[in-house]
Amino acid sequence: DSGVTQTPKHLITATGQRVTLRCSPRSGDLSVYWYQQSLDQGLQFLIQYYNGEERAKGNILERFSAQQFPDLHSELNLSSLELGDSALYFCASSVGAGVNTGELFFGEGSRLTVL
Amino acid sequence: QKEVEQDPGPLSVPEGAIVSLNCTYSNSAFQYFMWYRQYSRKGPELLMYTYSSGNKEDGRFTAQVDKSSKYISLFIRDSQPSDSATYLCAIRKTSYDKVIFGPGTSLSVIP
Repeated sequence: DSGVTQTPKHLITATGQRVTLRCSPRSGDLSVYWYQQSLDQGLQFLIQYYNGEERAKGNILERFSAQQFPDLHSELNLSSLELGDSALYFCASSVGAGVNTGELFFGEGSRLTVL
Repeated sequence: QKEVEQDPGPLSVPEGAIVSLNCTYSNSAFQYFMWYRQYSRKGPELLMYTYSSGNKEDGRFTAQVDKSSKYISLFIRDSQPSDSATYLCAIRKTSYDKVIFGPGTSLSVIP
């Protein structure tokens, strides 16, 4: 158990809908990362937050948005869903800036299926 | 050109074999190199972490970084069926930067 909690574990929805994925980082971790994993694209970086502030942005679609709340949990919002958005969405956390470690702790992922 | 490339496999070896997994990266600005292991339907977990060129050993696992050729490797000695997983190399420029993952190599160790 990595200590990172993601909900829901599975989600099935229809095209055009909107969903919210939730992540609780490990206790004490200030950084949260969101990744998308699909069969043909591998693990793609979406966005990173550090202590409530956006730190880095990857290839995140405009239909997707995220935020990190004062209690450090994070939410990833996916809207106007398309079939191609079906994937595993992982949240990871780390202690944060200034710490000399490469370790990200990953949650179990949220599997999104868009029909 | 992708920032990090990795042979996707799949790779199938007999139990006890030595496994070599490799990645190349494109930008010399990357300073931190990692290997993650991902079991089916699970989140990736960190196996090895290295900074700068050289070797790092941890039990049956050895990570090797050659920054001059932008090449990173993971060697698994005496491979076990429990090593069957997808192995992802990962790179980052600073200790708090985003982590960029390779596409992963699927490994099966046959008893």
